[in-house]
Amino acid sequence: KAGVTQTPRYLIKTRGQQVTLSCSPISGHRSVSWYQQTPGQGLQFLFEYFSETQRNKGNFPGRFSGRQFSNSRSEMNVSTLELGDSALYLCASSSDSQAHYGYTFGSGTRLTVV
Amino acid sequence: KQEVTQIPAALSVPEGENLVLNCSFTDSAIYNLQWFRQDPGKGLTSLLLIQSSQREQTSGRLNASLDKSSGRSTLYIAASQPGDSATYLCAVMVPAAGNKLTFGGGTRVLVKP
Repeated sequence: KAGVTQTPRYLIKTRGQQVTLSCSPISGHRSVSWYQQTPGQGLQFLFEYFSETQRNKGNFPGRFSGRQFSNSRSEMNVSTLELGDSALYLCASSSDSQAHYGYTFGSGTRLTVV
Repeated sequence: KQEVTQIPAALSVPEGENLVLNCSFTDSAIYNLQWFRQDPGKGLTSLLLIQSSQREQTSGRLNASLDKSSGRSTLYIAASQPGDSATYLCAVMVPAAGNKLTFGGGTRVLVKP
C-alpha cells in the first residue's frame, strides 16, 4: 500500500513568486493536513481538509491557501513568497474523520525562497 | 491553548543503553498522543499511537506510556542502537482544537557505537 506522496521533493523559488505543492494521501484516506516545519518554530499546523472541505486552519496569513479534490488529493499554494516561507512542508493523511488511527506523514517538500 | 514540551532537547547515549524520552502537555483533555521519528531532512515516521483511554502501547523495543492526569508521556527505547539516532517528536490531538496535531519541539538523540 503506497504511503503519502508529496511532490515535488525540492523547490527553489524567488521572493514574490507563488508556489503550489501537491499531496496524494494513502488510498482511502479522506483527511489531509498540512504542516510547516522550520528550525525556529518547529512544526506548525497550516490547515486540514476532509471530503473537500477545509475544517480547520492554523494561524498563517492569507497567502497560504489550500484545497482538496474529490479523489482526496490536496494542494497548497503560497503566493507572494517571502524568505521566511523557506521550510519543510509536510502533508499527513488519516483514514477517518477523527483521526482515530493517527496520522501518516509524507516525506515533505523542501521549499527554499531566495 | 495546548502546549507540548519535550525535555531534553538533545540526548547522547552509548549503544546498548535504554533511552527514556519525555513529553509533557498542558491540556489533559487529549484525544490521542502520537510519537514520531524524524531523520534529518526527512518526513515523520509514526512510531506509536496511544488513545486517551489507554495507558501504554508497545511495539518491539519501543514502549510508550501515557498519564493524562499529570500531562505526561514517556517513550522508552530498549537496548539502543546507532540506527536509533534521530529526532523524536510527540504530538497530541485535542478535540476542542479539531483534527490538529500540536507538536513538541523534539528530542534529538545520538546513539554512539
